Amino acid sequence: AQSVAQPEDQVNVAEGNPLTVKCTYSVSGNPYLFWYVQYPNRGLQFLLKYITGDNLVKGSYGFEAEFNKSQTSFHLKKPSALVSDSALYFCAVRAQRGGSYIPTFGRGTSLIVHP
Amino acid sequence: NAGVTQTPKFQVLKTGQSMTLQCAQDMNHNSMYWYRQDPGMGLRLIYYSASEGTTDKGEVPNGYNVSRLNKREFSLRLESAAPSQTSVYFCASSETRDRVYGYTFGSGTRLTVV
Repeated sequence: AQSVAQPEDQVNVAEGNPLTVKCTYSVSGNPYLFWYVQYPNRGLQFLLKYITGDNLVKGSYGFEAEFNKSQTSFHLKKPSALVSDSALYFCAVRAQRGGSYIPTFGRGTSLIVHP
Repeated sequence: NAGVTQTPKFQVLKTGQSMTLQCAQDMNHNSMYWYRQDPGMGLRLIYYSASEGTTDKGEVPNGYNVSRLNKREFSLRLESAAPSQTSVYFCASSETRDRVYGYTFGSGTRLTVV
């Protein structure tokens, strides 16, 4: 079965410190991977994606993600966290379902950045 | 701004009532999706429409129906609302299955069934 897992319900980090939000995936074929962010009472906003190419992908708001095929991981990172980064983060994989390709989301990780 | 528009933003229903959640996109996307978001459950796919004229069930379709009215609009209907359908509902769209530029989400409909 094709799936994505976010092992941490919550990540706490101090402002200015580096942050990592973890994601692992299971999919047949080449993975198409995404990170989305959700601020309170808002829809999901696209951060970045990996389709092919460089394993380090840069996205919006200073975020980046590292694709690791051997570990089937796609962790989200930022060198220096901001309080305004506090939000809910979702990892997603494009998975085949019948004849279509459907985004499948993890359960989400709540990132809390402390001043 | 271009994007996905959902209406209404908030709704309270009594058990057994029916309603339709509306979704429209103006990006000329072919594929559209309905998700529900519940605490600790992430986003679960209810129904999707890979292209105009087609609809398919997702993970949690029971109690819902959908209509792809045209390329722009994809509605979700609750025929007889139940408290278990209290949730936040998101509509999303994407260009095509073979051209992955990401998925665009609406701002959500917060539904409470009492």
